Amino acid sequence: QVQLVQSGAEVKKPGSSVKLSCKASGGTFSSFGVSWVRQAPGQGLEWMGGIIPMFDTKEYGQKFQDRMTIVADESSNTVYMELTTLGSEDTAMYYCARVSQWSDTGDWFDPWGQGTLVIVSS
Amino acid sequence: SSDLTQESAVSVALGQTVRITCQGDSLGTYYPSWYQQKPGQAPLLVMYDKNIRPSGIPDRFSGSKSGNTASLTITGAQAEDEADYYCNSRDNSGKHLYVFGPGTKVTVL
Repeated sequence: QVQLVQSGAEVKKPGSSVKLSCKASGGTFSSFGVSWVRQAPGQGLEWMGGIIPMFDTKEYGQKFQDRMTIVADESSNTVYMELTTLGSEDTAMYYCARVSQWSDTGDWFDPWGQGTLVIVSS
Repeated sequence: SSDLTQESAVSVALGQTVRITCQGDSLGTYYPSWYQQKPGQAPLLVMYDKNIRPSGIPDRFSGSKSGNTASLTITGAQAEDEADYYCNSRDNSGKHLYVFGPGTKVTVL
């Protein structure tokens, strides 16, 4: 049973960048996708972007495409997400999730990582 | 539009039935997935694709879809079902781009 293990909490200054990791434990990503989803305090879930590590195909949400980069290291079964030019509005819990993308009728996110808290503060 | 809409909050008496809806243009093409999130926890998949329940999810959870509207129903709600519920769908771009609904807070009375 694959579990996703995320890196630890980060505190960043406005204008800086953060790089988070998401490692598959107990298996590989295989042909699954990996997406990043964030949740600001007291708010809902927001899809940011994703990658299919096997094919290195990437998609970014329009809101993030100019300052977000996702890369995969298949040798270590790890996906990284970097977000640049951080502002206070980027303070959130960031989750990675494995995405099943082979159905013609819908995709789904399972399992999820435990989340990484990013605080942006001067 | 790729937006999904959900009720902001619903309440249900213990043991009764509650239905949460998710509406959006993309649901005319795709089945949504549904996630349960309890405070301080990561989201948990409770329904996906053609109304399939993942292993370990109680059978009191069921899903349906008609046109652009999908529903998650809890039949015989339990105290542990109190949580936020989010729907998610691919958008209609043909790419693997996704959108979450705003979430529904389910309170079990």
